[in-house]
Amino acid sequence: AQSVTQLGSHVSVSEGALVLLRCNYSSSVPPYLFWYVQYPNQGLQLLLKYTTGATLVKGINGFEAEFKKSETSFHLTKPSAHMSDAAEYFCAVSGNSGYSTLTFGKGTMLLVSP
Amino acid sequence: ETGVTQTPRHLVMGMTNKKSLKCEQHLGHNAMYWYKQSAKKPLELMFVYSLEERVENNSVPSRFSPECPNSSHLFLHLHTLQPEDSALYLCASSQDGEASRGYTFGSGTRLTVV
Repeated sequence: AQSVTQLGSHVSVSEGALVLLRCNYSSSVPPYLFWYVQYPNQGLQLLLKYTTGATLVKGINGFEAEFKKSETSFHLTKPSAHMSDAAEYFCAVSGNSGYSTLTFGKGTMLLVSP
Repeated sequence: ETGVTQTPRHLVMGMTNKKSLKCEQHLGHNAMYWYKQSAKKPLELMFVYSLEERVENNSVPSRFSPECPNSSHLFLHLHTLQPEDSALYLCASSQDGEASRGYTFGSGTRLTVV
């Protein structure tokens, strides 16, 4: 079984500031980890994912995330926030073999102020 | 046309109406999903279809009835809904056995029950 905890339902940053969205997971098997972004009245779009190999993964729009097994974390970062980054972000986990459904966190709304 | 397409984008219906939501995927995937996204609540997995057979039903009320006639199409039939069923309904698809790819989501149907 898997679960995801996203700390903070809302995160506010100023334009140009560091973005840090936290995600911790629980999984009984080696996990696949994902970050999705959702803009208002849109579906979820894949931002980046970790499957195997390098633990620091880069995604679209300048975002990256680091898989830390010892901390069971997969935090999302971006060095400099842009107004267009304002959206809701979802962390998700799945098992790494065969049929496995994604388990999503509750989401974190990122607010970016000028 | 590529990706996952949902129609209609917006739907307003009375509590005694019968309507259907449609989802179509052009990715060659063999698994499809219905999610419900309500304000201030986490994503709720409603139904999972793999190879056109329902494999998971998370205790969804019978007023929601899914149909998967083939691997490319998924429907959600609605009847005698309640105002609390107002939400964004998201369809997603994936390839069984390839959990590393994650899911591809449609843009959703915004449903309002009056």
